[in-house]
Amino acid sequence: GAVVSQHPSWVICKSGTSVKIECRSLDFQATTMFWYRQFPKQSLMLMATSNEGSKATYEQGVEKDKFLINHASLTLSTLTVTSAHPEDSSFYICSARGPSTGYTFGSGTRLTVV
Amino acid sequence: SQELEQSPQSLIVQEGKNLTINCTSSKTLYGLYWYKQKYGEGLIFLMMLQKGGEEKSHEKITAKLDEKKQQSSLHITASQPSHAGIYLCGAEGGGSNYKLTFGKGTLLTVNP
Repeated sequence: GAVVSQHPSWVICKSGTSVKIECRSLDFQATTMFWYRQFPKQSLMLMATSNEGSKATYEQGVEKDKFLINHASLTLSTLTVTSAHPEDSSFYICSARGPSTGYTFGSGTRLTVV
Repeated sequence: SQELEQSPQSLIVQEGKNLTINCTSSKTLYGLYWYKQKYGEGLIFLMMLQKGGEEKSHEKITAKLDEKKQQSSLHITASQPSHAGIYLCGAEGGGSNYKLTFGKGTLLTVNP
């Protein structure tokens, strides 16, 4: 079946630094990738949708300069949290969709900004 | 935007009991997905429903989509502790709008 690998699984960074999270589709070509954020005891909130080779489409209220998304190939998308602050601490999950696959999710990244 | 209401928000059942989780949409559902999540982990795909009146089963879990395609239910028969977790329904936007938005989830606890 379709597999999505997300790294790192957890990361701690200092306030003001940037953090990059990778999302890879291992056995299929992901024409579209999605990034979600999840707060404790809450559901997944869609942050942005990215199509390979195109600029990401951000959901309302999500700062595109804060959360940089790159989808340079059909198997890799990255989310960079720039100038991270403690309020950016959260659980981030990516999802990938291919021509003949449904929505496959990564295992998530727990970001803690100190 | 499509809004999904899940009920109940949380549920505690005794092992062996049956339970139902509901997901109601403000708009027609073009693709309705059910996932299970352990908090802090990824999502496990359970089932996907598209057609009005459709019903799918996997092991002890059955999901249905009503004829009007605005409500779905997930039913677990003879629950086990392994069924515990967060159950999320997600819906596609329809047409070429391929993105999933989720309900708030249902936290299921199964007591042995």
